[in-house]
Amino acid sequence: SQKIEQNSEALNIQEGKTATLTCNYTNYSPAYLQWYRQDPGRGPVFLLLIRENEKEKRKERLKVTFDTTLKQSLFHITASQPADSATYLCALDSLGNQGGKLIFGQGTELSVKP
Amino acid sequence: GAVVSQHPSWVICKSGTSVKIECRSLDFQATTMFWYRQFPKQSLMLMATSNEGSKATYEQGVEKDKFLINHASLTLSTLTVTSAHPEDSSFYICSGRIASGNQPQHFGDGTRLSIL
Repeated sequence: SQKIEQNSEALNIQEGKTATLTCNYTNYSPAYLQWYRQDPGRGPVFLLLIRENEKEKRKERLKVTFDTTLKQSLFHITASQPADSATYLCALDSLGNQGGKLIFGQGTELSVKP
Repeated sequence: GAVVSQHPSWVICKSGTSVKIECRSLDFQATTMFWYRQFPKQSLMLMATSNEGSKATYEQGVEKDKFLINHASLTLSTLTVTSAHPEDSSFYICSGRIASGNQPQHFGDGTRLSIL
């Protein structure tokens, strides 16, 4: 069955450093991958989408890579700030893109210390 | 843009009560809306997918008679938890998507449901 794994432990970094979050998947080849941010008690907020034929995508301080050979996506936040502290979720389109359903990873909790 | 409003944000009620949660896309037409459930420290679990004017498609293990979904317009979907029990207590989140294909989902802020 399809499986998605993100950094299981919380990630603690110092302000100004680059945060790197990992999303690994097995047992299928998604056409695209998305990253979301979720704050406590709130719904996820869409950040970036990357397609299988794209190696890298950037948006301001955010960068996402998509390696279909390794079956892995990396999510980078450069010059991190305490306001970046949140849980970050990766999501992949389900097998065969059934109506655009997404399968979410369990999320990585990022804490940026001042 | 792409704002989804979910109401109520939290509800506490007695066991056996039915609870309705509304999900509205405020500035776009949501061809498809999704309903998720999230337990503490866990990921979002898809419950059902609904397209405007059609019956919802439920994920395996989700009781369609217990979780009634109505998607009467392109801007409104409702989830009714019928005869709720304490084990139904969770964080319910809806999302809307503008069109089919590789489009992101836009989420509401969730409803915290507590059944006593």
